[in-house]
Amino acid sequence: EVQLVESGGGLVQPGGSLRLSCAASGFTFSNYEMNWVRQAPGKGLEWVSYISGSGTTIYYADSVRGRFTISRDNAKNSLYLQMISLRAEDTALYYCASEIRTFGDYWGQGILVTVSS
Amino acid sequence: QAVVTQEPSLTVSPGGTVTLTCDSSTGAVTSGHYPYWFQQKPGQAPRTLIYDTSNKHSWTPARFSGSLLGGKAALTLSGAQPEDEADYYCLLSFGIARKLFGGGTKLTVL
Repeated sequence: EVQLVESGGGLVQPGGSLRLSCAASGFTFSNYEMNWVRQAPGKGLEWVSYISGSGTTIYYADSVRGRFTISRDNAKNSLYLQMISLRAEDTALYYCASEIRTFGDYWGQGILVTVSS
Repeated sequence: QAVVTQEPSLTVSPGGTVTLTCDSSTGAVTSGHYPYWFQQKPGQAPRTLIYDTSNKHSWTPARFSGSLLGGKAALTLSGAQPEDEADYYCLLSFGIARKLFGGGTKLTVL
């Protein structure tokens, strides 16, 4: 059974940093692309970032490019999102989503990031 | 910067049929946008219903179908059930490195 479990969220001040993790199980993690998707409270979904299975190909949404860094550790079956220079508008529930057959075929339960002073 | 637009809300009667659409500000939506449709119920993560315009996952109820209609991507629900009440999001790809979600449609079954 595919499982994705996010962690590392919390309250951070504007300008601060946070690192999200996503622990994957139930599939051969290194073989598949992964994504981060976020959802501001009461709002819609926003694709944030993509990483290939090997980690060599990476893409970002314009809204986070230069501030967020996606990475993965295939030996630990883990996906990461390093976030710096956080803004109030980054407040959201952050989901990791797999791309085993298709984009977003499995999702984690989400982890809340709140940027506020 | 492209914008993807969906109906903010729709209502369908139980057993009825409804079509949700997904439009792009850059022009007609085509199969090259690889349209996806996701369902999200309150407090839950999204779930993929349709990918690449019209393909279904094993968990997609047969009453959902995807298509291209009048220059838009479309999700048709035939025979609505109370459990279909949810938010529905489309996703379009604009090249290999950019994916944009629509603003979502709140579907009420009433």
